[in-house]
Amino acid sequence: GAGVSQSPSNKVTEKGKDVELRCDPISGHTALYWYRQSLGQGLEFLIYFQGNSAPDKSGLPSDRFSAERTGGSVSTLTIQRTQQEDSAVYLCASSLVTWPLSYGYTFGSGTRLTVV
Amino acid sequence: GESVGLHLPTLSVQEGDNSIINCAYSNSASDYFIWYKQESGKGPQFIIDIRSNMDKRQGQRVTVLLNKTVKHLSLQIAATQPGDSAVYFCAENGAGNMLTFGGGTRLMVKP
Repeated sequence: GAGVSQSPSNKVTEKGKDVELRCDPISGHTALYWYRQSLGQGLEFLIYFQGNSAPDKSGLPSDRFSAERTGGSVSTLTIQRTQQEDSAVYLCASSLVTWPLSYGYTFGSGTRLTVV
Repeated sequence: GESVGLHLPTLSVQEGDNSIINCAYSNSASDYFIWYKQESGKGPQFIIDIRSNMDKRQGQRVTVLLNKTVKHLSLQIAATQPGDSAVYFCAENGAGNMLTFGGGTRLMVKP
C-alpha cells in the first residue's frame, strides 16, 4: 500500500483481556518496527523484524508482549492479560533495508490502546 | 538510546517568529540524521534529513544544522505557523537499520 496501515485505530479493553494489534507495512519494506508511546512522552522501542532474521525483542517490557510477522509482511503485536499501564499508542513503522537509512522509517498512525 | 518515560520539554513561540529545536545525539559514528514531526493523533512524519558529510541542509521553511564536534543537531523553522505546533523528534542512524530517537520537544505556536 501507499503507507503503513495499522488497525484498529482505537481499542478499549478490559484489564486482563488479550489484545492483538495489526500492522501492514509498505510493500517492499523488509524491516518492520514496533514502538510504544505513552501520553505526552517519547518513543519506546519494542521489537524489530528484518527479513527472515530472528527479531530483535530487546525492547519488549514483559513476557506478556509478543509479536510475529507472517510472510515477511503483516505483523501482529499481542499483549496478553492487559494491565492499565499498557495503555498507550502503539506505533508501527517500516523501512527499506539500507544503511544509512534513506528517509528513515515510515510510521503508521498508531493504535490507541486504553485498558479499563 | 531510545527515550523511555521522559516528559517532553516544551518550546513556546509567537506566530511568525523563528523556532529553533535542539537535539544532542549519542553516537559519534552516526552517519545520518532525521527530524520527524508528530501532530496530535498521528504517527511521526519525516521532515528533513542530513548526512554526516554535511553541516547544513535547507528545506521549505526548515533548516537542519549538524555539529559533529559536539554531537548536536538543530531544527530551525522560519516564520513559525500554527500548523507547526507538534512534537518534534530527532533520530540518528548509527549502524544497521535501527534509528535511535531523541526524547522529543513539543512546539506550541501562540497566535
